[in-house]
Amino acid sequence: NAGVTQTPKFQVLKTGQSMTLQCAQDMNHEYMSWYRQDPGMGLRLIHYSVGAGITDQGEVPNGYNVSRSTTEDFPLRLLSAAPSQTSVYFCASSRTSGRAYEQYFGPGTRLTVT
Amino acid sequence: GENVEQHPSTLSVQEGDSAVIKCTYSDSASNYFPWYKQELGKRPQLIIDIRSNVGEKKDQRIAVTLNKTAKHFSLHITETQPEDSAVYFCAASILTGGGNKLTFGTGTQLKVEL
Repeated sequence: NAGVTQTPKFQVLKTGQSMTLQCAQDMNHEYMSWYRQDPGMGLRLIHYSVGAGITDQGEVPNGYNVSRSTTEDFPLRLLSAAPSQTSVYFCASSRTSGRAYEQYFGPGTRLTVT
Repeated sequence: GENVEQHPSTLSVQEGDSAVIKCTYSDSASNYFPWYKQELGKRPQLIIDIRSNVGEKKDQRIAVTLNKTAKHFSLHITETQPEDSAVYFCAASILTGGGNKLTFGTGTQLKVEL
């Protein structure tokens, strides 16, 4: 199993540009989520999904869109990049039933917006 | 929504000593409390978790305690080693069929000195 994969690893954008961060998992997990990590602020939830076709907002959703057409993939779209979106982005997945609820994180995408 | 506070933000111990990191949460409905370790430039990885129906859980040198009445939980690392140096995050969530939305603390930078 590859676990949770993310692409790209690094990205530089200019203000106003758009892009999509890719996330995929091969563990058949129902739950997937996106976090951003900024120095001194921990990880903050952007959007999450409990299954294909179902998404909802987290703590800091503004400026980001998501969709979930398959169980495996959960892309994050930046509509019009701003310097405040410079951050490290992590995708995570987990089960929603049974006894194990560990969230598995991807390797992260480091995004810089100039 | 849930709010998780974590202390201290930095912790320096001598090799072989114990380290304790404390977290408080605000939502009495939270029932799942994981701890993650993150090494520099890497993804967060689960080291231990506890459900609200358990007061304490131990795994070798790592233990977590939970006080539901006071709404706080703590991570205890005994016999610390240099490889324990990392940032540790606590988190809280309400496990439901709707997923596992984690709210993270702001992290503790642990340094184990020789």
